[in-house]
Order: sequence, then C-alpha cells, then structure tokens
Amino acid sequence: GAVVSQHPSWVICKSGTSVKIECRSLDFQATTMFWYRQFPKQSLMLMATSNEGSKATYEQGVEKDKFLINHASLTLSTLTVTSAHPEDSSFYICSAGGTAGSSNQPQHFGDGTRLSIL
Amino acid sequence: GESVGLHLPTLSVQEGDNSIINCAYSNSASDYFIWYKQESGKGPQFIIDIRSNMDKRQGQRVTVLLNKTVKHLSLQIAATQPGDSAVYFCAEKMIRGGSNYKLTFGKGTLLTVNP
Repeated sequence: GAVVSQHPSWVICKSGTSVKIECRSLDFQATTMFWYRQFPKQSLMLMATSNEGSKATYEQGVEKDKFLINHASLTLSTLTVTSAHPEDSSFYICSAGGTAGSSNQPQHFGDGTRLSIL
Repeated sequence: GESVGLHLPTLSVQEGDNSIINCAYSNSASDYFIWYKQESGKGPQFIIDIRSNMDKRQGQRVTVLLNKTVKHLSLQIAATQPGDSAVYFCAEKMIRGGSNYKLTFGKGTLLTVNP
C-alpha cells in the first residue's frame, strides 16, 4: 500500500531556530501533498496544500512566511518552520495521495513530527 | 464549517463487544468520506472509505454507514479488540474549485477497549 515517510519524528530546539520537516511518498508520485497541525486531544487542522512545481496554497490564518513549503519533486515536500517560538510547538503531519476531482482515493499520512521549541 | 474539538468525545467498550462511532459532517456537497484511526504519537491510518452514492460499505470487521439526509456517518467495529483502542476521525472531502480539494476532519472519538 501507499507509504508516506516523514522525518524527523521529533525535534527539540531553541527559540529562534528554523526547523525543516521532510515528507516523502515512498512508492508513488504525489503532485499534491498536505501539511496539517495537531494540538493535543484535538483534530487535524489543514495548514497548506503543497503543489509540485508551484506555490503552496495556505489556509486562512496560516502565515506563509512563517511556514515555508517547498515541493520540488513528485516525492518530496518540505515544511520549514522559520524562527520557531514556543507557540509553534505542535505535532505536524503530512499526507499525500488522494485524487482530486471525481476520482476518489484516500490520503495517506506520515507518522508526524513532534516539534518542541524551548 | 470545520470541526475542532477542545474536548475529545470518548467511548469505552468491553473486549468482544461491537463499537459504534458517530460523526456529523458539514457539507451536503461532499462526495467522499474516510475513517482514520490514530494511535498515540502516530499519524492517521486509513480504515475505510465510502462514496456518496453508497449508504453502506463493509471491510474486515468494520462497516461504514452514510446517511446523507442528516449528514451523518458512522463506523461500526465488530468484536472490538484492545488493539482497536485509538482516536478515530471521520473526514469529508470538500471540493474547492477545479481539481483542488481538502479533507476536513471531525472532532475525533477516543475509543478505549477494556480487556
């Protein structure tokens, strides 16, 4: 089945540091990947849609200069949290797969990245 | 609108019992629905999906029911096992125009299976 790999699984760093999270589709090509944020005991909130070869689409309230997304290939999207602060601490999850339009397939998720900013 | 849960609904069942997890979705135009299972510290894992032209779909030990009239989705787990303990999310696919879409997740339900 479809496999999405996310790295790193957890990171602890000092306030002001920029952190890069990678999301890879291992056995399929993904023109679109999605980045979510999840707080404890809450649901997944979509942050942005990452499109291969073009700019990401950000959800309302998500700062594009804060959360930089690069989708340079059909198997890799990266999320960089720039100048991270303690309030950016969260569980970040990516997904890939699924097909837009009339053809429906489920998105497959990575195992998330636990980000802790001190 | 989107569902963001501040207090996670919970369901506690005995091992071997059947579980039913419910979800209300928001958009009558949504045409595709998915149930995910999320274990602690992991990403959501696909369980089963259903298209809007169906009202029931069965998998291995799981059944999804869709009631479009009242915008309600349910997940039934037969003979629940301790390994089924997790948070379960429903998600609806919402078209955003052209080929763009997003998944909107429900609040989630914490299922605890007691041995």
